[in-house]
Amino acid sequence: DTEVTQTPKHLVMGMTNKKSLKCEQHMGHRAMYWYKQKAKKPPELMFVYSYEKLSINESVPSRFSPECPNSSLLNLHLHALQPEDSALYLCASSHPLRQRGGKTQYFGPGTRLLVL
Amino acid sequence: GNSVTQMEGPVTLSEEAFLTINCTYTATGYPSLFWYVQYPGEGLQLLLKATKADDKGSNKGFEATYRKETTSFHLEKGSVQVSDSAVYFCALEGEYGNKLVFGAGTILRVKS
Repeated sequence: DTEVTQTPKHLVMGMTNKKSLKCEQHMGHRAMYWYKQKAKKPPELMFVYSYEKLSINESVPSRFSPECPNSSLLNLHLHALQPEDSALYLCASSHPLRQRGGKTQYFGPGTRLLVL
Repeated sequence: GNSVTQMEGPVTLSEEAFLTINCTYTATGYPSLFWYVQYPGEGLQLLLKATKADDKGSNKGFEATYRKETTSFHLEKGSVQVSDSAVYFCALEGEYGNKLVFGAGTILRVKS
C-alpha cells in the first residue's frame, strides 16, 4: 500500500479564517513533507518532518504552521492567509532522511485551497 | 546546487505515437532520479525511478535509463494513449539529500 490521504479535497476560506489541512499515511514512513503547487508549476517544498521533528522550513511565512502529532499524521494549520496563497497543497511521505539511495516520496492527492 | 532541466511543452502526439521527454540533470555524487506524473486535478504519482547509473526504471510501458555519462534520464514510451495525457515531472534527490529537485514539468497531450 503506497497511499497517502489528504483531507479536505477542496477548501475555501476567507483571509480571517483559521483552518487545517490533514495528511495521513500508514506505510511506516518517518519523513513527511508539505509542498505548495501553483498552476502549471512544479511543487515547491515548504516543510519536512523527520521522526516527528521539524527538519526543514523553507522560509515559509508564519501564517502556515505545521504539526506532526505522530508518525502517521501531518497537519498544516492556516491562519490569516492571503489570496496569493491559493494553490494545491500536497503532502508526501518517505523513508527517513539520512538514508542513502532511493528515498521515494509518495504524494497524496492534494487539497485545493482558495483564499478569498 | 542540484538542478533538473526538462524539455518544454506542450508535447502533442497522436495516439500510438512514440514518446520521448528529455530530462538532464546537474548534481554531485550519485543522485536518485524519478519521473512523476500528474493527471488533471490530481496529485503526483510516482511513475518510475532509478537509483544508480545504467539502471532502467519502467512502469506502464514507460521507460527511462539513468545515464551518468550524459547526465540524462529521458522518458520514453513506444505507443502513447489518450489516457497518458498529463504533466510529467523529472526529479532528482541528492545522494544523501532530503529534498526533491523538480524540473519545470512537460505537458503531454495525446489526440485520438
